[in-house]
Amino acid sequence: DIQMTQSPSSLSASVGDRVTITCRASQYISYYLNWYQQKSGKAPKLLIYAASNLQSGVPSRFTGSGSGTDFTLTISSLQPEDFATYYCQQTYSALWPWTFGQGTKVEI
Amino acid sequence: QVTLKESGPVLVKPTETLTLTCTVSGFSLTNARMGVGWIRQPPGKALEWLAHIFSNDEKSYSTSLESRLTISKDTSNSQVVLTMTNMDPVDTATYYCARILRTTMITDYWGQGTLVTVSS
Repeated sequence: DIQMTQSPSSLSASVGDRVTITCRASQYISYYLNWYQQKSGKAPKLLIYAASNLQSGVPSRFTGSGSGTDFTLTISSLQPEDFATYYCQQTYSALWPWTFGQGTKVEI
Repeated sequence: QVTLKESGPVLVKPTETLTLTCTVSGFSLTNARMGVGWIRQPPGKALEWLAHIFSNDEKSYSTSLESRLTISKDTSNSQVVLTMTNMDPVDTATYYCARILRTTMITDYWGQGTLVTVSS
């Protein structure tokens, strides 16, 4: 399976901070990289798809970039509701297993 | 309105087989652009992709769990079924199903999840 490595595994930040999370794939995945936000006890919510496309209804402070093997999720100005765990996911091929990163917990 | 709902046992014994059902509404399992995936999350741990299936019956499984998993669909009842054999306490997790959009390769709608505990 394609391995996804996120960094950092956790970070502490304040409201208004700019936050960056990175995700690296173990092999080329083009732009087939999605980002999810998960709050405690809830199902994940899709934020960014195809590396840089904002899912409908998601605030514009969330941006994604990258292609190939290296990707980034940026929150331009952290809001109180953004404290959560973030996961990257590769979906390179419909016929291959999909995989998630290990998650990044964003704490106050 | 798209919804997915997982159902199945809350408690299984070690070595037993787990059968989970995902009942969907608001979209059709015969739609060529759609699929359904299963994902799990042990308490306090990361998400793990298990398997997915598309309308043409193409399937994919996690390599590490492939020998224990079977995914299938019942289009007449709008259900996707996941079976996992030889359950172990390490398989204790919340199990989610989610809709896949094949055109963008995303999971855009998720069920609420169901917690399955493996214990004797």
